[in-house]
Amino acid sequence: AQSVTQPDIHITVSEGASLELRCNYSYGATPYLFWYVQSPGQGLQLLLKYFSGDTLVQGIKGFEAEFKRSQSSFNLRKPSVHWSDAAEYFCAVGVRYSSASKIIFGSGTRLSIRP
Amino acid sequence: GAVVSQHPSRVICKSGTSVKIECRSLDFQATTMFWYRQFPKQSLMLMATSNEGSKATYEQGVEKDKFLINHASLTLSTLTVTSAHPEDSSFYICSAIRLAGQQETQYFGPGTRLLVL
Repeated sequence: AQSVTQPDIHITVSEGASLELRCNYSYGATPYLFWYVQSPGQGLQLLLKYFSGDTLVQGIKGFEAEFKRSQSSFNLRKPSVHWSDAAEYFCAVGVRYSSASKIIFGSGTRLSIRP
Repeated sequence: GAVVSQHPSRVICKSGTSVKIECRSLDFQATTMFWYRQFPKQSLMLMATSNEGSKATYEQGVEKDKFLINHASLTLSTLTVTSAHPEDSSFYICSAIRLAGQQETQYFGPGTRLLVL
């Protein structure tokens, strides 16, 4: 069955430092992969997605993610974090359902920023 | 960009009552919508897939008689929590699929916070 694992529950990094959030997936076919961010009291916002093609995906707010099939990973990176990046981050896999994909979410990683 | 709205944004109800939550795609038609619930500090759990004009498909462990889903039009899906109990208190989020040719994009609503007393 399809699943997504985010091994880090909570990460704290200093403002200006680089960031990498880990994500591993389990899916039999070529996955659709997503990263979403959820700020307190806010809805989900799509940061980036991978469907096919270039395995290094650029997203909004300076985020990028790299799809590594051999490692079943889709880690999210940012070279320099800002205090406004503090939020909950969800990795997700899209499972093809008829004419649309249902999304299975990982457990999330809470990012805190140290001033 | 495409927008998905939910109404109400928050609701408080007494135990035993039923609560209806609406999910609307505001500027596109969606034959498929999804309903999720999110407990505090936890991830989103897919509850069901809402299909316009047909019965919803529920995930394993989700009671279909408890969580009634109706997708009556291409822009509206409703989730009714019947005979709500305190353990149903949660954050309910919907999403809608926008299809443009082969391109598929999923848009999430802002969520509805339900508190059952």
